[in-house]
Amino acid sequence: NAGVTQTPKFQVLKTGQSMTLQCAQDMNHNSMYWYRQDPGMGLRLIYYSASEGTTDKGEVPNGYNVSRLNKREFSLRLESAAPSQTSVYFCASSSVGGLNPYNEQFFGPGTRLTVL
Amino acid sequence: AQSVAQPEDQVNVAEGNPLTVKCTYSVSGNPYLFWYVQYPNRGLQFLLKYITGDNLVKGSYGFEAEFNKSQTSFHLKKPSALVSDSALYFCAVREDNNAGNMLTFGGGTRLMVKP
Repeated sequence: NAGVTQTPKFQVLKTGQSMTLQCAQDMNHNSMYWYRQDPGMGLRLIYYSASEGTTDKGEVPNGYNVSRLNKREFSLRLESAAPSQTSVYFCASSSVGGLNPYNEQFFGPGTRLTVL
Repeated sequence: AQSVAQPEDQVNVAEGNPLTVKCTYSVSGNPYLFWYVQYPNRGLQFLLKYITGDNLVKGSYGFEAEFNKSQTSFHLKKPSALVSDSALYFCAVREDNNAGNMLTFGGGTRLMVKP
């Protein structure tokens, strides 16, 4: 199993450009998440998808959109990138509900994004 | 609303000595608590969790954590630190009425273990 995979690993954008960060998981998890990591601020939730077909805003959703393409894939789009979106982005997934509803989240390796 | 505080940006410890990384939390319901570790240029790896039951939770790599409800704390501990334990550690909390399993993370504590 590859676990959670993310592409690309690195990206440099100019202000105003758009891009999509891709995430996929092969663990049959129902929930998926996008976080950003900034120094001293831990991880902050951007958007999440509790199950296929649903998405909800997290703590810092402004400037982002998401698509839960199917159960495996959850993409994050920056429509018009800004320098404040320079960060490391992590995708995560977890299995929620059933016999063990409090499962941990599994994280991808991250995408390091710089917006000039 | 749920929140987590990690009061120390960095913890320094000598190899072989015990280590503690502190975490306090705030939730309106029952807390579910997690510790993760992040090595340089990597994603977060799960270490351990407290859901219910015994207040002392044992996890990966010899780490353990003690849940203290009265002090709303969940400190990470290890009896004997290794240089390879040097990494960034995150505490996270989830409330029991959180249907989306959303976690709130602390700001992280960098653990430096010196030989």
